[in-house]
Amino acid sequence: DTAVSQTPKYLVTQMGNDKSIKCEQNLGHDTMYWYKQDSKKFLKIMFSYNNKELIINETVPNRFSPKSPDKAHLNLHINSLELGDSAVYFCASSQGARVVNNEQFFGPGTRLTVL
Amino acid sequence: GQSLEQPSEVTAVEGAIVQINCTYQTSGFYGLSWYQQHDGGAPTFLSYNALDGLEETGRFSSFLSRSDSYGYLLLQELQMKDSASYFCAVTDSNYQLIWGAGTKLIIKP
Repeated sequence: DTAVSQTPKYLVTQMGNDKSIKCEQNLGHDTMYWYKQDSKKFLKIMFSYNNKELIINETVPNRFSPKSPDKAHLNLHINSLELGDSAVYFCASSQGARVVNNEQFFGPGTRLTVL
Repeated sequence: GQSLEQPSEVTAVEGAIVQINCTYQTSGFYGLSWYQQHDGGAPTFLSYNALDGLEETGRFSSFLSRSDSYGYLLLQELQMKDSASYFCAVTDSNYQLIWGAGTKLIIKP
């Protein structure tokens, strides 16, 4: 029983292409996140949704568009991929947006390589 | 701005004790969390401190001093499987998790 799942695990694509990464959680959590982790391991929050509503939208190019069809799913669509988008993208979920001990549960990650 | 400082790398010997420090400067503070990430893996939650003092969970302990804006993760009886990156993260006044850059723990036999 995977708590937070992401597909695909690996994604290799050419510059200029459009791609999507899907994320699902079966923990009944209200809040979901997308993180980007670069080669130096720095975890950067990109977006956060609470009950399908966007609550955190950090400074990321507008080529990145999250979509949350329901509170168990948060997908990430990336347009016009660039070399600098190569990274590992993690989806995560937590119980709620305004929870003090906001333990986050991470998916296995999607390693995106742009050629 | 908000920032967390932790060493980029720490080296220790199998069976020893190691301490990974974290100092923070954030807008508001609810608590300090620690996460572990093995190479190729996902971050996993280790501990959370909201109050001053030491919290122990098996071989791992986490300490917080709110007055010093400082905390640490203590790992005892180090095992090779503890080789990983360790991240500290602060829950700020907006309930947002602010992450440190991570500390790579290298364990030698």
